[in-house]
Amino acid sequence: DTGVSQDPRHKITKRGQNVTFRCDPISEHNRLYWYRQTLGQGPEFLTYFQNEAQLEKSRLLSDRFSAERPKGSFSTLEIQRTEQGDSAMYLCASGGPLNTEAFFGQGTRLTVV
Amino acid sequence: DQQVKQNSPSLSVQEGRISILNCDYTNSMFDYFLWYKKYPAEGPTFLISISSIKDKNEDGRFTVFLNKSAKHLSLHIVPSQPGDSAVYFCAASFKDSGAGSYQLTFGKGTKLSVIP
Repeated sequence: DTGVSQDPRHKITKRGQNVTFRCDPISEHNRLYWYRQTLGQGPEFLTYFQNEAQLEKSRLLSDRFSAERPKGSFSTLEIQRTEQGDSAMYLCASGGPLNTEAFFGQGTRLTVV
Repeated sequence: DQQVKQNSPSLSVQEGRISILNCDYTNSMFDYFLWYKKYPAEGPTFLISISSIKDKNEDGRFTVFLNKSAKHLSLHIVPSQPGDSAVYFCAASFKDSGAGSYQLTFGKGTKLSVIP
């Protein structure tokens, strides 16, 4: 077990393009989170999955954002029609059923030009 | 409205001395508190946590203190080492009654520099 894995590590895209990020959580973890971090800020919650069910979504998650966790294992986060304001570090975290800590991946740095 | 506040953007400490990082929160529903350490271009790394039923938790060189009445927590690092230089985030959570998500609310972080 190598921890939470995110792919890609870096993504540069042109405004208006769609992008998709992948997260592979720690294998026995049923909880999965997406966060976004911009410069000078702490990570901000975007959405939460318990197994395959998306149970919480932040108001930060506009309708251009969609997340899935189809089989309760890996998750994807898609951003449609990217805007410059979407430039940020997108972090995935997972947690097990018996603890409250969340363990983060290394993040995907998105730059929209 | 920032529910978790880290009022010191930066802190410099001499190697071997104690580092004290502070955090205040406003939401009395928070019942679990965590500290994460973050290096540039990496994700946050979990450091230590404390439940609201305790007032102290210790793990090696790291101790977290919780003062519920003041809605304040602090992280003590003793002795500080150059490898501790990083941004430290305070985070808080509570178990949502329905979803049980333990989503984290983070402060803006404090950049710790340990000077050799």
